[in-house]
Amino acid sequence: DSGVTQTPKHLITATGQRVTLRCSPRSGDLSVYWYQQSLDQGLQFLIQYYNGEERAKGNILERFSAQQFPDLHSELNLSSLELGDSALYFCASSVPRLGELFFGEGSRLTVL
Amino acid sequence: LAKTTQPISMDSYEGQEVNITCSHNNIATNDYITWYQQFPSQGPRFIIQGYKTKVTNEVASLFIPADRKSSTLSLPRVSLSDTAVYYCLVGDVNSGYALNFGKGTSLLVTP
Repeated sequence: DSGVTQTPKHLITATGQRVTLRCSPRSGDLSVYWYQQSLDQGLQFLIQYYNGEERAKGNILERFSAQQFPDLHSELNLSSLELGDSALYFCASSVPRLGELFFGEGSRLTVL
Repeated sequence: LAKTTQPISMDSYEGQEVNITCSHNNIATNDYITWYQQFPSQGPRFIIQGYKTKVTNEVASLFIPADRKSSTLSLPRVSLSDTAVYYCLVGDVNSGYALNFGKGTSLLVTP
């Protein structure tokens, strides 16, 4: 158990819909990272937050957005969903300068 | 960010030592090298991290030559449960960390 909690574990929805994925980082971790992993693809970095502020942005689509709240949990919002958005979405947290990312178990999104 | 290159896949028999090499020619002075392991449908798990020379922990060793343009993850006496994807990451842990995992190396261990 990494200490990072992601909900929901599984989600099935239709094209055009909007979903929200939630992540609770390990206690004390200020940084939250979101990754997308499609079938047979590596982990694609989406976005990072540090203590509520956006820190770095990767290949995140304009239809996707995220935020980190004062209690440090984070949400990833995916809108106007397409079939190609079906993937595992991972959240990770870290203490800066520790060098280790702790990953949650992921949220598997299926868009039909 | 330093770009990394790893073999796509490797095969090994149980009990053998496995070495996975990662190339990172444009590594920066402040960059560290970190390796992760991922099983299907699970989040990656930290294995080992180093800056230069050799680092060893209870599961692996990491060899980094003086020029730091490559690194080698060494798994001693692999078992079937070591079948997984292994990722090499390079980045500055003080500036937002290494962010891109790439596709990693898929290791298959057979009896």
